[in-house]
Parts: sequence; structure tokens; C-alpha cells
Amino acid sequence: GAGVSQTPSNKVTEKGKYVELRCDPISGHTALYWYRQSLGQGPEFLIYFQGTGAADDSGLPNDRFFAVRPEGSVSTLKIQRTERGDSAVYLCASSKRPSSGANVLTFGAGSRLTVL
Amino acid sequence: GQQLNQSPQSMFIQEGEDVSMNCTSSSIFNTWLWYKQDPGEGPVLLIALYKAGELTSNGRLTAQFGITRKDSFLNISASIPSDVGIYFCAAGYSNGANSKLTFGKGITLSVRP
Repeated sequence: GAGVSQTPSNKVTEKGKYVELRCDPISGHTALYWYRQSLGQGPEFLIYFQGTGAADDSGLPNDRFFAVRPEGSVSTLKIQRTERGDSAVYLCASSKRPSSGANVLTFGAGSRLTVL
Repeated sequence: GQQLNQSPQSMFIQEGEDVSMNCTSSSIFNTWLWYKQDPGEGPVLLIALYKAGELTSNGRLTAQFGITRKDSFLNISASIPSDVGIYFCAAGYSNGANSKLTFGKGITLSVRP
């Protein structure tokens, strides 16, 4: 597509529930990133995919968070046993292969997660 | 971990004024970027910098990559109401396995007509 598409745009769930957030990157972008943005803060890195594999998952806060990108395009961020502290905007970004010389990330509009 | 420092948290200027904001780090990076975020949207790239000392313009925006590789500044000239938003600096490495960007906390810019 023309831009990075994220669904849902808003998700309200109850504490303890399971949540999936989807990201459809720009066509042809091999790198895909997930960031989390809390109110009043900058985006914080969660995980980065190069193709189908997670090249760097050092930002995932704990084992309740998991992300997949099985075919090297669409990615799903999965959060188990959600907690109120997980409430944030989850941003997805994509870019061309980093070896092209620039980490120019194009972001989606984000998925706002609210855990009650 | 790596952190980028942006201050102040908010800036208030009059339409037509110039404004400058900077970003500092204790770590060296070889790519610096500036993004703007509007409410309900994701950050949008304004300027990307790849070489220490590089000065790049995009319309009324000018940004520089500090020669120490630990800082960058963004200047907006002749501000207009649509410049309102949150400005983030971001930094990272342009190649290799470590390809993530680190972001500052952002500066909220308000422009009075």
C-alpha cells in the first residue's frame, strides 16, 4: 500500500485479556519495526524484523509480548495477559533494507491500546 | 540504555518567529533524524542527516548533525500555525545489524497567531 497501515486504530480490553495488533508495511520495505509510545513520551523501541526474522527483540518488556512476521510482510504484535501498564499507542514503521544507508522509518498512525 | 535529551518539554512562540531546538546524547550516532507528530498520527520524517557537520534544509526547516556526533539541532524559520506539533529527534546507525532508532521525549511547539 501507499503507507503503513495499522489495525485496529483503537482497542479497549480488560486486564488479563489477549490482544493482537496488526501492521501492514509499505510494499517492498523489508524492515519492520514496532515501537510503543506512552503519553508524553517519545516512541520506545520494541522489536525489529528484517524479512521474516526478528533481528533485534531487545525492547520487548517481558515474555507477555511477542511479534511475528511469517511471510516477511504483515506483522502481528501479540500481548498476553494484558496489564493496565500496557496501555499506550503501539506504532509500526517500515523501511527499506538498512544497508541502503539510512534508517528512514515511515510510521503508521498507531494502534491505541487501553487496558481497563 | 541510550537516551536522547530534548528540552524544554514545551515551547511557545509567536507566528513569524524563528525557533531552534536541540537534541543531545552521551552516545555517538551516525544518523540523526527529526520527526514531527500531529495528534492521532504517527511521526512524520522532516529531515535526515548522515554525516557529522552536515547542514540540511527542507523549506523553512534547517537541521545540523553535530561534529561530535552526539548532538543535532533543528531550526524553523518564519513559523506558521501549522508548525504546531511535537518535534522528536531520533538517532541510530545507518548500517549493520543494529538498525533501530532511539527517540527523544519530544518538544511540543505552540504557535500563537
